[in-house]
Amino acid sequence: QSVLTQPPSASGTPGQRVTISCSGSSSNIGGNAVNWYQQLPGSAPKVVIYTNDQRPSGVPDRFSGSKSGTSASLAISGLQSEDEADYYCASWDDSLSGHVFGPGTKVTVL
Amino acid sequence: QVQLVQSGRELKKPGASVKVSCKASGYTFSTFGVAWVRQAPGEGLEWVGWITGDNSRTNFAQKFQGRVSLTTDTSTSTAYMELRSLRSGDTAVYYCARVSITSWPYFDSWGQGSLVTVSS
Repeated sequence: QSVLTQPPSASGTPGQRVTISCSGSSSNIGGNAVNWYQQLPGSAPKVVIYTNDQRPSGVPDRFSGSKSGTSASLAISGLQSEDEADYYCASWDDSLSGHVFGPGTKVTVL
Repeated sequence: QVQLVQSGRELKKPGASVKVSCKASGYTFSTFGVAWVRQAPGEGLEWVGWITGDNSRTNFAQKFQGRVSLTTDTSTSTAYMELRSLRSGDTAVYYCARVSITSWPYFDSWGQGSLVTVSS
């Protein structure tokens, strides 16, 4: 059981906007930054958002992140078939003195 | 470009130890930390721990304390993870990742993963 909570699945048709939530507490998201990782089937994870809302070079601007209080969200606008993957939020947890991942959200493009 | 290349798959018996390597290239190895993350079959990501590139500091997830060792060899730009007293629940793909620190740490490049299977 992760200290971060994500919905198990999300879906949308091509071109739609999909939003994934990540809920935590004051010991993790509330006091630390959130990163988001995309894992395509059979591949290693890849960072798509770091420090709450920063997008690494090479990541399409369709991906955006935000954080408010003890929750964060990842939005994918203009959904494309290649966005079908598992998405994980992650943060540092002060109580655990460790890095924690959310359980992951599987995004399906209908 | 930054590249992390990990050692191959391992098959171990319960109670044994495994050592996974992660060879880095494309950057100054000692100036970045290396994290280890594992993923059991069909499950999510789990942070194991991390180490500074110069081998000076480590930090582990509580559940692995006393059972895992992380080291680096700056002469070969290689990081190592050793996990001892293996049990079936340790069967997973183990990833290394470079730790990038801007204002907060994140994992900006990942190895391809090393499958460790624990079975009698």
